Amino acid sequence: NAGVTQTPKFQVLKTGQSMTLQCAQDMNHNSMYWYRQDPGMGLRLIYYSASEGTTDKGEVPNGYNVSRLNKREFSLRLESAAPSQTSVYFCATVPKGQFLSYEQYFGPGTRLTVT
Amino acid sequence: AQSVTQLGSHVSVSEGALVLLRCNYSSSVPPYLFWYVQYPNQGLQLLLKYTSAATLVKGINGFEAEFKKSETSFHLTKPSAHMSDAAEYFCAVSDYKSSGSARQLTFGSGTQLTVLP
Repeated sequence: NAGVTQTPKFQVLKTGQSMTLQCAQDMNHNSMYWYRQDPGMGLRLIYYSASEGTTDKGEVPNGYNVSRLNKREFSLRLESAAPSQTSVYFCATVPKGQFLSYEQYFGPGTRLTVT
Repeated sequence: AQSVTQLGSHVSVSEGALVLLRCNYSSSVPPYLFWYVQYPNQGLQLLLKYTSAATLVKGINGFEAEFKKSETSFHLTKPSAHMSDAAEYFCAVSDYKSSGSARQLTFGSGTQLTVLP
């Protein structure tokens, strides 16, 4: 069991370039989430997907798009990267049936720098 | 909207000393509360959680937290710090959005714990 995997681990982009961050899980979890982590700000929710086929905006969705490709995969796309999107991006999942306990399982993160 | 405040972005303790990391929350409904730990260059791991059962919650690695409704607090403690406890710690509160179908977590800004030899 790999758990939650994220690719790439590191990425440097120039302003205006686009890229897709990939997240995959092999735990058969229903809900998936994308966060960004910035110093002194904790984690902020970008988008989430409650189940396959649905996506919703979180706290900071501007400049991002997401796709829930299937139950396993949830991708985050930056169409035109900006320096303000320099951050560490985390994917997280929640199993079906854990509604009350709501523990999230996190991937190792993607460190993105936009110059 | 729910919110979490972690008092002290940096806390230093000596090895063997008491660890106390503070967390206060605001919530209009009974909350679910969590503490996560993040070691350098890793994702977050759950330390412990409060889901309206016992108010004193025990977690992994000797950590525990007490839910105090009157103080809207959920402080994290460990009686004796170990060098391996050095990490960043995040308090989080659950938030059910009526317009969505999945619970969301609101995180505090984090507390970096340094353990001095």
